[in-house]
Amino acid sequence: DTAVSQTPKYLVTQMGNDKSIKCEQNLGHDTMYWYKQDSKKFLKIMFSYNNKELIINETVPNRFSPKSPDKAHLNLHINSLELGDSAVYFCASSQVRGRHTDTQYFGPGTRLTVL
Amino acid sequence: DAKTTQPNSMESNEEEPVHLPCNHSTISGTDYIHWYRQLPSQGPEYVIHGLTSNVNNRMASLAIAEDRKSSTLILHRATLRDAAVYYCILRDGAGGNDYKLSFGAGTTVTVRA
Repeated sequence: DTAVSQTPKYLVTQMGNDKSIKCEQNLGHDTMYWYKQDSKKFLKIMFSYNNKELIINETVPNRFSPKSPDKAHLNLHINSLELGDSAVYFCASSQVRGRHTDTQYFGPGTRLTVL
Repeated sequence: DAKTTQPNSMESNEEEPVHLPCNHSTISGTDYIHWYRQLPSQGPEYVIHGLTSNVNNRMASLAIAEDRKSSTLILHRATLRDAAVYYCILRDGAGGNDYKLSFGAGTTVTVRA
């Protein structure tokens, strides 16, 4: 049973297209995140939702729009894809009993390639 | 979150211990020290965390200096499966709404058979 799952695992698309990445967690957690890992392997937070409410938005372009239909799902929609959007995107979740002790559980990642 | 400094890479032989240092000279009294690792082609996974006392779990041990300005993650017997990038991350225990993990470059650990 996968705790945090993402679909698709690989996504290859043309510049200018619109695409979505889906994330689901079956851990019963309240908080979900999207991270981006670029070609230099640096992992950076993009968004965080707590009980379907946006709590972190780290100066991500407006072309990126997270959507949380319920607290078990956090999808990432990207409009007008650009070459620089090519990266691995990771979804994560945490229970958030307390910031300093909560453990984040990560999905396997979605490798997005924009041609 | 306060900054941490780690070596870029370390090598170890299989079944030998690995000591991964992390410097965090600007750590505050409420910062917890967390370690995550990222195996090749996988998402990061939690390893261990601590505040002041040394901590042990089934994956590793965390030794924290008395002044808390540095810490060391110890893998007691490295296996090939421990080859990964290890991240040392400080998290503020003072409360607030900033839940993110701030990843640095980490230490790439190579395990030789």
